[in-house]
Amino acid sequence: DVKVTQSSRYLVKRTGEKVFLECVQDMDHENMFWYRQDPGLGLRLIYFSYDVKMKEKGDIPEGYSVSREKKERFSLILESASTNQTSMYLCASRGGGRTDQPQHFGDGTRLSIL
Amino acid sequence: DQQVKQNSPSLSVQEGRISILNCDYTNSMFDYFLWYKKYPAEGPTFLISISSIKDKNEDGRFTVFLNKSAKHLSLHIVPSQPGDSAVYFCAAIYSGNTGKLIFGQGTTLQVKP
Repeated sequence: DVKVTQSSRYLVKRTGEKVFLECVQDMDHENMFWYRQDPGLGLRLIYFSYDVKMKEKGDIPEGYSVSREKKERFSLILESASTNQTSMYLCASRGGGRTDQPQHFGDGTRLSIL
Repeated sequence: DQQVKQNSPSLSVQEGRISILNCDYTNSMFDYFLWYKKYPAEGPTFLISISSIKDKNEDGRFTVFLNKSAKHLSLHIVPSQPGDSAVYFCAAIYSGNTGKLIFGQGTTLQVKP
């Protein structure tokens, strides 16, 4: 079974802080994704990566950056946290090959920015 | 610009009856559609998918129907069980777009015992 682990379940930070959210997968997947989930908006893609050191912007990349130095780890960085970045953050991974293979999600990080 | 829409925020069904969750999309280039289920405090889990070249896919109690002309798909759960109570997300993939998933807003299903 695929295991996607997000380092924190709950996180509280202050406005202006630099925030790191970590995600690790154990299935040697090429593709990794960061989403945020907000009520009434579903899941929206922030960034994704299809290989080590490769990244592409999703639909809402503003205020975020990512890092993928190793295949199993994908980090989301809030450069200067703001209150509108309070949300549930979900990491996912997917193997290479067919793009219809389902993504596997972690349990999420509930981030509050005060 | 919401390319995938779930217009019903919530649905309540009696145990043993059929649950029908609906999803509409606007992009005719989508190749595959997927349904995910999400319990509180957990990540979404994959439920069932359908290719755009098919009109039906069945897996146990779950069946997904696709109507391409109407750009509409639905998830049928028969019979519904209390453990099915969760948020259901419809998602679509346009494979020419590096396989990014486009999600709907989600529908909260409550199955009453």
